[in-house]
Amino acid sequence: GENVEQHPSTLSVQEGDSAVIKCTYSDSASNYFPWYKQELGKGPQLIIDIRSNVGEKKDQRIAVTLNKTAKHFSLHITETQPEDSAVYFCAATRGQNFVFGPGTRLSVLP
Amino acid sequence: NAGVTQTPKFRILKIGQSMTLQCTQDMNHNYMYWYRQDPGMGLKLIYYSVGAGITDKGEVPNGYNVSRSTTEDFPLRLELAAPSQTSVYFCASRRGQGNEQFFGPGTRLTVL
Repeated sequence: GENVEQHPSTLSVQEGDSAVIKCTYSDSASNYFPWYKQELGKGPQLIIDIRSNVGEKKDQRIAVTLNKTAKHFSLHITETQPEDSAVYFCAATRGQNFVFGPGTRLSVLP
Repeated sequence: NAGVTQTPKFRILKIGQSMTLQCTQDMNHNYMYWYRQDPGMGLKLIYYSVGAGITDKGEVPNGYNVSRSTTEDFPLRLELAAPSQTSVYFCASRRGQGNEQFFGPGTRLTVL
């Protein structure tokens, strides 16, 4: 079955700097890759997603890149702000179920 | 739309007690899911359903049961609660394959 690894597990950046979180997946048939943000005490919320027929997608300060050959995808957050502090999860799926990475705790220091 | 709603928000159980966690979605989604999230960890799939009357086991189904009699509701039943079931439980739904999952706010369960 699918296995998703995520790095780093924790990440601290200064406000205004960029943050990058990387994920790798094992099933080459996976075709949908969402990123979720989870704030303390809340459920995960989708922030951006990418499908296997696209290499890059951007939404304001957030971008995701996908390398199907290497089977990895990355989340890029530019001009980080304190409200970006949260746990971020990547996921991969090719059918009914998502397989989530273990999460990255991002802290944006003022 | 209210999205995905879960009740209760918090619950403390004694070992051996039973309870049902409620989940309702008003988006007419076919797929529904139950996850547990242990402290500092990721999401583990307990059970899922691809439509009313159809359920299947996920990665960690032992100690749990589900039913899906309507499109809207997907309750999770805990029988004979154990301390290992202390966790935060999230329900989620999605329209179909290739679409995002929408999560509920979670139920924090403690078994003492």
